Amino acid sequence: AQSVTQPDIHITVSEGASLELRCNYSYGATPYLFWYVQSPGQGLQLLLKYFSGDTLVQGIKGFEAEFKRSQSSFNLRKPSVHWSDAAEYFCAVARSYNTDKLIFGTGTRLQVFP
Amino acid sequence: DADVTQTPRNRITKTGKRIMLECSQTKGHDRMYWYRQDPGLGLRLIYYSFDVKDINKGEISDGYSVSRQAQAKFSLSLESAIPNQTALYFCATSDGRAGANVLTFGAGSRLTVL
Repeated sequence: AQSVTQPDIHITVSEGASLELRCNYSYGATPYLFWYVQSPGQGLQLLLKYFSGDTLVQGIKGFEAEFKRSQSSFNLRKPSVHWSDAAEYFCAVARSYNTDKLIFGTGTRLQVFP
Repeated sequence: DADVTQTPRNRITKTGKRIMLECSQTKGHDRMYWYRQDPGLGLRLIYYSFDVKDINKGEISDGYSVSRQAQAKFSLSLESAIPNQTALYFCATSDGRAGANVLTFGAGSRLTVL
């Protein structure tokens, strides 16, 4: 069965610093990978997704993620964090493009200091 | 108006009471989902529906039931609420023709069972 691990529960960065949030997945075949963001008091919003092709994918709000099959990872990055990026970030994996079961990681809470 | 609307946004109830959480959407999506979010556990799928006549159990359906009253409406019921059902509940939708895993979430319904 597929699973997702986000090893960092809580990360704190200074505004303007770079950011990398880790995500490792477990799935035998090529997975479909997603990053969602949850701002305080809000539902989740899709940041970016990887289905196939270029392993570096660009998303909204200046985020990008890189799929590394050899490391079973799909880490989220941003070169310069803004205070408004403070939120909880969820990595998710699916078995296929159109499957019902989107498996979420446990989330990483990002705190941004001015 | 929000694309996915959940009511109520907050509810406090007592053990043994029947509770219904409602979800309506204006996205025109065919697929609807109910997730539960608990701190440190991420999001877990309770039930999902691919169309009005299709209802499927997710990974944690025990103690819950759902009704898909129309394409745009999907309600979640707790027949006899218990304290460990205290959580944040999210409704989500997706367009099965365009990629079922690109979910649009509501803002959440926070339920507290005393």
